[in-house]
Amino acid sequence: ETGVTQTPRHLVMGMTNKKSLKCEQHLGHNAMYWYKQSAKKPLELMFVYNFKEQTENNSVPSRFSPECPNSSHLFLHLHTLQPEDSALYLCASSPPVGESEKLFFGSGTQLSVL
Amino acid sequence: GQQVMQIPQYQHVQEGEDFTTYCNSSTTLSNIQWYKQRPGGHPVFLIQLVKSGEVKKQKRLTFQFGEAKKNSSLHITATQTTDVGTYFCAGYTGANSKLTFGKGITLSVRP
Repeated sequence: ETGVTQTPRHLVMGMTNKKSLKCEQHLGHNAMYWYKQSAKKPLELMFVYNFKEQTENNSVPSRFSPECPNSSHLFLHLHTLQPEDSALYLCASSPPVGESEKLFFGSGTQLSVL
Repeated sequence: GQQVMQIPQYQHVQEGEDFTTYCNSSTTLSNIQWYKQRPGGHPVFLIQLVKSGEVKKQKRLTFQFGEAKKNSSLHITATQTTDVGTYFCAGYTGANSKLTFGKGITLSVRP
């Protein structure tokens, strides 16, 4: 248990569905992240929130929409995804961005888009 | 842009053998981190190196940061089956920079 909880663990969705991934951290951190992990690729940073403000959007398609209502919760809203979006989506948290922080990852959501 | 490279992506060793892997950056790093991801799991932070030439040990694992702060190594002494997984290095180039991950090396250990 890392203190970062992601739900659901697995998700299968059609290309026309709308779904949301949820992440919650109990570590008192102020920065939260979404990463995408595909086979044979480096971990891809998608979004960064620092003190609830989005500080990084790494050229992510608009079919992925993040939401950070407070420093403990992070969502990733999904709509009209493509099969190539199938991957493991990892949430992470850390102390505030800019302090050479180490990341604490959640267990991830394994997403399959049919 | 900054690149962090880990080659090869896969390595197989016999249990009891030593294992060394390297991480190379195209730019000077302010610090480097190593993570381990077990099969079916998520990345878990192992260590952070900050100083040029720094060496840190965790039981059978030895981590080193290069003198020029552009490369790092991970050495495992007498590998065990519990060492299987993917080892990622990740580096920062400076204050407020992004943490850039390498592709990782997946280690398998034959019992």
